[in-house]
Amino acid sequence: DGGITQSPKYLFRKEGQNVTLSCEQNLNHDAMYWYRQDPGQGLRLIYYSQIVNDFQKGDIAEGYSVSREKKESFPLTVTSAQKNPTAFYLCASSMQLHSNQPQHFGDGTRLSIL
Amino acid sequence: GQQLNQSPQSMFIQEGEDVSMNCTSSSIFNTWLWYKQDPGEGPVLLIALYKAGELTSNGRLTAQFGITRKDSFLNISASIPSDVGIYFCAGVLYGQNFVFGPGTRLSVLP
Repeated sequence: DGGITQSPKYLFRKEGQNVTLSCEQNLNHDAMYWYRQDPGQGLRLIYYSQIVNDFQKGDIAEGYSVSREKKESFPLTVTSAQKNPTAFYLCASSMQLHSNQPQHFGDGTRLSIL
Repeated sequence: GQQLNQSPQSMFIQEGEDVSMNCTSSSIFNTWLWYKQDPGEGPVLLIALYKAGELTSNGRLTAQFGITRKDSFLNISASIPSDVGIYFCAGVLYGQNFVFGPGTRLSVLP
């Protein structure tokens, strides 16, 4: 089945530690996205990518970094500079950036602080 | 930046009842999308609307693209326990990123 796979499902971070969240898609989509979801709130855009080796900051990029070395993969690193990283992180993809084609989401990674 | 408002914020209904929720914006959009999110899962696309005035159904779900292009409505008929979750709307304007609403949390009482 085509879809988006996020791993791990749960992740714990120690103070001062960087952690990387994985996102892989086999939908042959060009565009990929990372969102942060806090309880009772909507989705906030962290980073997005139109194509391999290209990515842009979203609304809340500070303390995060990404890479897009392959079309299928768009990992997100939560750095130690992100002081409030506890949240539910969602990866999404769509056929093209800035088109009206729907975004499709993975099942999320819940990040907590130890 | 663009913002979407969803109402109600949350709702409790009896199984079998019909549900109505809406999404409004001060900006116009070319596309409206409705997603459902179950606890601990990612949002799943329910309905996509591409034309002002469009009315689209998906089983017991019906959604409409408002004629002003600034709002959209989602109705669920004869609710069942598995309808529980958070319903998000998203607006899309050509050349720009998606804008998501804060969600409507639906609880269904047996």
